[in-house]
Amino acid sequence: AQKVTQAQTEISVVEKEDVTLDCVYETRDTTYYLFWYKQPPSGELVFLIRRNSFDEQNEISGRYSWNFQKSTSSFNFTITASQVVDSAVYFCALSPSGGSNYKLTFGKGTLLTVNP
Amino acid sequence: DTAVSQTPKYLVTQMGNDKSIKCEQNLGHDTMYWYKQDSKKFLKIMFSYNNKELIINETVPNRFSPKSPDKAHLNLHINSLELGDSAVYFCASSQTLGTPIYEQYFGPGTRLTVT
Repeated sequence: AQKVTQAQTEISVVEKEDVTLDCVYETRDTTYYLFWYKQPPSGELVFLIRRNSFDEQNEISGRYSWNFQKSTSSFNFTITASQVVDSAVYFCALSPSGGSNYKLTFGKGTLLTVNP
Repeated sequence: DTAVSQTPKYLVTQMGNDKSIKCEQNLGHDTMYWYKQDSKKFLKIMFSYNNKELIINETVPNRFSPKSPDKAHLNLHINSLELGDSAVYFCASSQTLGTPIYEQYFGPGTRLTVT
């Protein structure tokens, strides 16, 4: 069985602060994919990043960075110099690779509020 | 051009009615999905179709029946609606064969309210 845990239900920061959203996962698969999605107040789900299990390189995209550590089964997401527009619910998700079962198992999400 | 579209965006109906939600993707993907997001924002897979074939069928009541007329469309029909069916339903698509694109692209969601 697959499981994704986002222990932080809500985080509130002031604009320009850095914030890290935690994600811990469980899977018996040897190969798998990890994802982050953003759900702004408007409700759509926006894909942010995909990481496969055999690539532990950290990734940076503008103010966003991701830290994948297989040893601790974590895939954390950091927003640097947060902005009000970053306010959203952020979901971490896990998918097996190979075969035909590509369902996403989502964490419960972290509501990030960035205050001006 | 919208990549994954759903209609309607909002659906308000009474208990016992039957309703359908339509989904279309113009990304050329071979796999489509239905997810349900409950009032606590929890997202859970319901169904998945690959090239019109049912691949994933989670523990969903029989009142829910997906239909895929072609690989670009996946509709969701719900019979005898219940209060607990109130949720946001998301359609998604991805490419799983050939040159896979594992990330799933989601539609805007359909907010179903059963009264």
